[in-house]
Amino acid sequence: ETGVTQTPRHLVMGMTNKKSLKCEQHLGHNAMYWYKQSAKKPLELMFVYSLEERVENNSVPSRFSPECPNSSHLFLHLHTLQPEDSALYLCASSQGPLAVLYNEQFFGPGTRLTVL
Amino acid sequence: GESVGLHLPTLSVQEGDNSIINCAYSNSASDYFIWYKQESGKGPQFIIDIRSNMDKRQGQRVTVLLNKTVKHLSLQIAATQPGDSAVYFCAETLSPPTVIFGTGTRLQVFP
Repeated sequence: ETGVTQTPRHLVMGMTNKKSLKCEQHLGHNAMYWYKQSAKKPLELMFVYSLEERVENNSVPSRFSPECPNSSHLFLHLHTLQPEDSALYLCASSQGPLAVLYNEQFFGPGTRLTVL
Repeated sequence: GESVGLHLPTLSVQEGDNSIINCAYSNSASDYFIWYKQESGKGPQFIIDIRSNMDKRQGQRVTVLLNKTVKHLSLQIAATQPGDSAVYFCAETLSPPTVIFGTGTRLQVFP
C-alpha cells in the first residue's frame, strides 16, 4: 500500500459515456498528478495540481477534465472518449514546494480504462 | 500496471547475480533523476534518486550511477531476488518543473 488509492480499478465505457476516475491520497501531500500509461509509449504526465491549483496541463484533449476539490482528492472526468484513450491512468502524489515538484512521487495502482 | 504491449528490452538474470539496468536520458539540463520499479498490476514505486551534482548514490542493495557527459543513468541491483522482477524505468526532471519518463526495461529473475 502506497497511501494512494484509485477507483475504480477497471472501467469499460462507450464513446458517448461520461465517467469519472477518483484518486485519494492519505499521505498529507500537497501535490497530485494524473498520468497516462499506454502501450507503445512511456508514462505521460497529464495534469499537475499543487495546493489545489493546476500548475501543468500537458496539452491534454478537453475530453479529459481534472478536478482537485482539496489536497487529498483528485478526479479525472471523462467525456466522449476515443478508443485510443484506452490505457492505464495513474494518480500520484508528492510533498514539497513547486520548485521540487517532482521529488519522490507515490503512485496509486491505476485505473485500467477501456473505451469501446 | 506494467506497460503491456510495449516492446520493452528485457534483462534476464539468475537469482543472486547482480543486475545493471541502463537509461539514456534526453536533456543535458536535467538536474534530478529517479528510478522507478513497476510490478504487474501495480503503480510505479520509487526506488532511488540522484541529483545532478552527484555521480553515485547507494541505497539498500541498489546503486544509481550518473554520467552527465554521455547523459547516461544506470541502476545496479546487488544479489538480485525473484521479488525484483518488474519493469524498471528512469525519470529525469528539470526546471521549470518538467518530468520525462523512459520506456523501461523488464527484469526477469530466474531461480
